[in-house]
Amino acid sequence: KAGVTQTPRYLIKTRGQQVTLSCSPISGHRSVSWYQQTPGQGLQFLFEYFSETQRNKGNFPGRFSGRQFSNSRSEMNVSTLELGDSALYLCASSLLRQQDDEQFFGPGTRLTVL
Amino acid sequence: QKEVEQNSGPLSVPEGAIASLNCTYSDRGSQSFFWYRQYSGKSPELIMFIYSNGDKEDGRFTAQLNKASQYVSLLIRDSQPSDSATYLCAVNSNFGNEKLTFGTGTRLTIIP
Repeated sequence: KAGVTQTPRYLIKTRGQQVTLSCSPISGHRSVSWYQQTPGQGLQFLFEYFSETQRNKGNFPGRFSGRQFSNSRSEMNVSTLELGDSALYLCASSLLRQQDDEQFFGPGTRLTVL
Repeated sequence: QKEVEQNSGPLSVPEGAIASLNCTYSDRGSQSFFWYRQYSGKSPELIMFIYSNGDKEDGRFTAQLNKASQYVSLLIRDSQPSDSATYLCAVNSNFGNEKLTFGTGTRLTIIP
C-alpha cells in the first residue's frame, strides 16, 4: 500500500509570494491533517480536512489556507510569504476510526522563504 | 505552561541498555497518546499509541500511561544504534479529533 505522498519535496520562494503544497493520503484514508515543523516551535497543527470540510484549525493566520478534494487529496496554500514561514510542512492521513486513530505522515515539503 | 512537555535531551544511552523517555501533558481530558520517531531529515513515523492506563508492549518498545499523574513514557529495551533519533510525544484530546498536540521531542543517542 502506498504511503502518504507530498509534492513538491522542496520549494524556494521569496517574501510576498504565495505557494501551494499538495498531499495525497493513503488509499482509503479520508482525513488529512497539515502540520508545520520548525526547529524552534516543533510540530504545530495547521488544520484538518475530512470529506472536503475543514474540521479543525490551529492558531495560524489567515494567510494559511487549505482545501480537500472529493478524492481526499488536499492542498494547502500560504499567501504573502514571510521569512518565518520557512519550515517543513507535513501532511498526515488517517482512517478516522475511534480511539486508535493513527496518523501517518508524508515525507514533507521543505519550504524556504528568502 | 506548554501543553505537552518533553525533556529535549540529548539523552545518551549505551547500546543494549534501556532508554526511558518521558512526556507530561496539561489537558486532563486527553484521550489518546502517541509516540513518534523522527530521524534527522525524515518525517515522523508512528511507533506506538496508548489510551488506557497501564503498559502496552510491542517488541522492544513499551508505552506506559498514567492519566492521574498526566504522564506517558516510552521504554526501549535492548537499545540499538538504529534507535538514535528524536522521539516525539503527541496527545489527542478527543477521539475522532485529528488534532495532535506534539511535544518538542527528546533527542536520543545510543552509544555503541
